[in-house]
Amino acid sequence: AQSVAQPEDQVNVAEGNPLTVKCTYSVSGNPYLFWYVQYPNRGLQFLLKYITGDNLVKGSYGFEAEFNKSQTSFHLKKPSALVSDSALYFCAVRERTGGSYIPTFGRGTSLIVHP
Amino acid sequence: SQTIHQWPATLVQPVGSPLSLECTVEGTSNPNLYWYRQAAGRGLQLLFYSVGIGQISSEVPQNLSASRPQDRQFILSSKKLLLSDSGFYLCASQTSGGTNEKLFFGSGTQLSVL
Repeated sequence: AQSVAQPEDQVNVAEGNPLTVKCTYSVSGNPYLFWYVQYPNRGLQFLLKYITGDNLVKGSYGFEAEFNKSQTSFHLKKPSALVSDSALYFCAVRERTGGSYIPTFGRGTSLIVHP
Repeated sequence: SQTIHQWPATLVQPVGSPLSLECTVEGTSNPNLYWYRQAAGRGLQLLFYSVGIGQISSEVPQNLSASRPQDRQFILSSKKLLLSDSGFYLCASQTSGGTNEKLFFGSGTQLSVL
């Protein structure tokens, strides 16, 4: 079975400061990992994914995430937050082989960037 | 890149009325299609998914149904809406496998059942 946890309902950060949104996962084998962002009253947009290769993945809007197999984590990061980054962020996981092709989403973390 | 067309954007319906939400996909063929419901702007609940025309799998028992009459068309329906059907409905498309795998989402339908 595959699962994903986003332990923080909300993350607050000042504009210009670095931000981290946490995600941990559980799969039987190797994972595909994803981050999506949702702005109010909109659908989700793909930010980045880890399939294989480099543990540090770079995505849209200056975001990056680091795959850590030993800690089963895939935290989303950005060196300098913008007020426009304020949104709802979802982590998702799918087991690479032998599991469901349907990704499992976390509950979401609301990121609030203060001016 | 795929584009997901979903309409209407907003819908207000009385309890007991029927429902039909439509989703069409451009830019790919033979996608996996999904209907999600999102309550109160938080977690996503998978309602239905489809791997091909006429193939529908339901994730939760409810008074909603889904159909896929064409490869890139996915419809969510109800014969009689309940108050609990209110929510934000999202259609998504996925061409799975390898480095191109990701979900594309429509812009959603905000359904209010009164």
